[in-house]
Amino acid sequence: GQQLNQSPQSMFIQEGEDVSMNCTSSSIFNTWLWYKQDPGEGPVLLIALYKAGELTSNGRLTAQFGITRKDSFLNISASIPSDVGIYFCAGRGSSNTGKLIFGQGTTLQVKP
Amino acid sequence: DGGITQSPKYLFRKEGQNVTLSCEQNLNHDAMYWYRQDPGQGLRLIYYSQIVNDFQKGDIAEGYSVSREKKESFPLTVTSAQKNPTAFYLCASSVLAGGRAKNIQYFGAGTRLSVL
Repeated sequence: GQQLNQSPQSMFIQEGEDVSMNCTSSSIFNTWLWYKQDPGEGPVLLIALYKAGELTSNGRLTAQFGITRKDSFLNISASIPSDVGIYFCAGRGSSNTGKLIFGQGTTLQVKP
Repeated sequence: DGGITQSPKYLFRKEGQNVTLSCEQNLNHDAMYWYRQDPGQGLRLIYYSQIVNDFQKGDIAEGYSVSREKKESFPLTVTSAQKNPTAFYLCASSVLAGGRAKNIQYFGAGTRLSVL
């Protein structure tokens, strides 16, 4: 099945550093979503993007919908230990089924 | 509280055994989904259902079966035909109408299945 290319695969950073991750696709998407998954739990929605060029923030998180509609990025500023987890991007095209395509995930570890 | 409940949290399967994972939602969502998660591979769609008594195969349906007899419930059976069932299984749901809301899937807490 189709997958998004998400990078980096993993990151190990110092507390207080900024983090950036991105997703690219060969297909155009109408919606980009960013989820966070804590260990042993289900993913939780962080940010939803609906328009090309849209830039949306949620606290220390900022995400953008690429103008080509084939990419998106997520930035986390001033990381803290509770930012640890797996971050997933997900995209949706024009399908009416509600199906999402997920990236492989970025595993973030934060050193206090 | 409204949400998605998956049970059990941990499940063990013996050789040749079928096991069923439960997923219940009280969000009044039309669509429900089952994903399999393996390390480094993201979420892969097993089955999805948009309406009661109807469901479609996802990308990795072989060795799995589902039913949707009630809007609130979408159980997944991992059959003995699935030779590598060890994984984390996630259930999700979404609305299918209503503008932007239809794009968002909400997830349960997952079931970790292991083989004895």
